[in-house]
Amino acid sequence: EAQVTQNPRYLITVTGKKLTVTCSQNMNHEYMSWYRQDPGLGLRQIYYSMNVEVTDKGDVPEGYKVSRKEKRNFPLILESPSPNQTSLYFCASSAPGLAGGRTEQYFGPGTRLTVT
Amino acid sequence: DAKTTQPTSMDCAEGRAANLPCNHSTISGNEYVYWYRQIHSQGPQYIIHGLKNNETNEMASLIITEDRKSSTLILPHATLRDTAVYYCIVRADLYNFNKFYFGSGTKLNVKP
Repeated sequence: EAQVTQNPRYLITVTGKKLTVTCSQNMNHEYMSWYRQDPGLGLRQIYYSMNVEVTDKGDVPEGYKVSRKEKRNFPLILESPSPNQTSLYFCASSAPGLAGGRTEQYFGPGTRLTVT
Repeated sequence: DAKTTQPTSMDCAEGRAANLPCNHSTISGNEYVYWYRQIHSQGPQYIIHGLKNNETNEMASLIITEDRKSSTLILPHATLRDTAVYYCIVRADLYNFNKFYFGSGTKLNVKP
């Protein structure tokens, strides 16, 4: 089954304690992204990757790091989490599209992070 | 990318058609209209997309006006499971999803 998986699904942590949220896709997609979703602000892109070893900042990259060492994995790293990073996080993947082709993003189930 | 405007919420009776409008008056000629939905904090789910012709798939129909300044997503027979937030997104680049702006969307409430 084609899917994007994220782990953990729920995480409560304390300020300053480094954490990693993993993301993996089994569709051989080139593109992967991380989003955060906050009430009233919709989904905002944190980082994206267009292929292995190619990453770039989205709209809200401060406080986050990513890496893309393998095509299937795109972990999100919070080196020193702060309470303002409490949010619902989504990983997504997609493939380059052909003209008129279906090129939707596939989203993971989400990771709810609470930083106290 | 063009900005979109959607109603905050809508109600629909179960079994009836749900028609969700989206205004994108500043859309450019090369920009596509996409629709996604998000059911109760799950990951967003792709529904349909189009450029200027009307489109239909197993989930929904997309009607784009001739001037392309607005569109309507139609769920032909809404069920309770269609209760979700529906996002209309306008985007130029069909091939890259490195920038994909989700606005506030329309909360569709399907009622028995």
